[in-house]
Amino acid sequence: SQTIHQWPATLVQPVGSPLSLECTVEGTSNPNLYWYRQAAGRGLQLLFYSVGIGQISSEVPQNLSASRPQDRQFILSSKKLLLSDSGFYLCALKSGTDSPLHFGNGTRLTVT
Amino acid sequence: QKEVEQDPGPLSVPEGAIVSLNCTYSNSAFQYFMWYRQYSRKGPELLMYTYSSGNKEDGRFTAQVDKSSKYISLFIRDSQPSDSATYLCAANTNAGKSTFGDGTTLTVKP
Repeated sequence: SQTIHQWPATLVQPVGSPLSLECTVEGTSNPNLYWYRQAAGRGLQLLFYSVGIGQISSEVPQNLSASRPQDRQFILSSKKLLLSDSGFYLCALKSGTDSPLHFGNGTRLTVT
Repeated sequence: QKEVEQDPGPLSVPEGAIVSLNCTYSNSAFQYFMWYRQYSRKGPELLMYTYSSGNKEDGRFTAQVDKSSKYISLFIRDSQPSDSATYLCAANTNAGKSTFGDGTTLTVKP
């Protein structure tokens, strides 16, 4: 079965510090991978998606970037965090166009 | 206007009640419909995945899609305190793009 690993579960970072969140998946090959952000009490905002190694599409221009160095690894980064980057970051995968999204358990980021 | 609108709640019901969660959508290109359950501080968990109009049942959960009225529902029978969570509806186009509602928070009181 498909498994999504995200770490860390919780992170507190000062404004201006860098960020690196990692997502790795198991049980599937060549998945589509996604980064979503969920603000408190709000819906899911798609940030980035990737259909393959090195292929990244950005949905929202912002302070964040993403990379996919391996088939089952997806990384979300920032060079300098802003207060507005606080939120719940979720990695998700889709094993085919018709299949539903499956989510990891997320990283709760607080920028202070 | 959002492409997927969800009743905001919150919703509070006694244990054993039948729960109805509802969403409407505006994009006729949506073909696949999902319901997710999200517990506090966890990622959304897929509950139901349906294609086209009709009903799909899984245990105490029934997902209903009415494409003519662009309306999707999730019914929970014999609700339990463990059903207390936020429920998200979502819809996919054939191209695979997912659009989510903002979620309805449900509390089932013992």
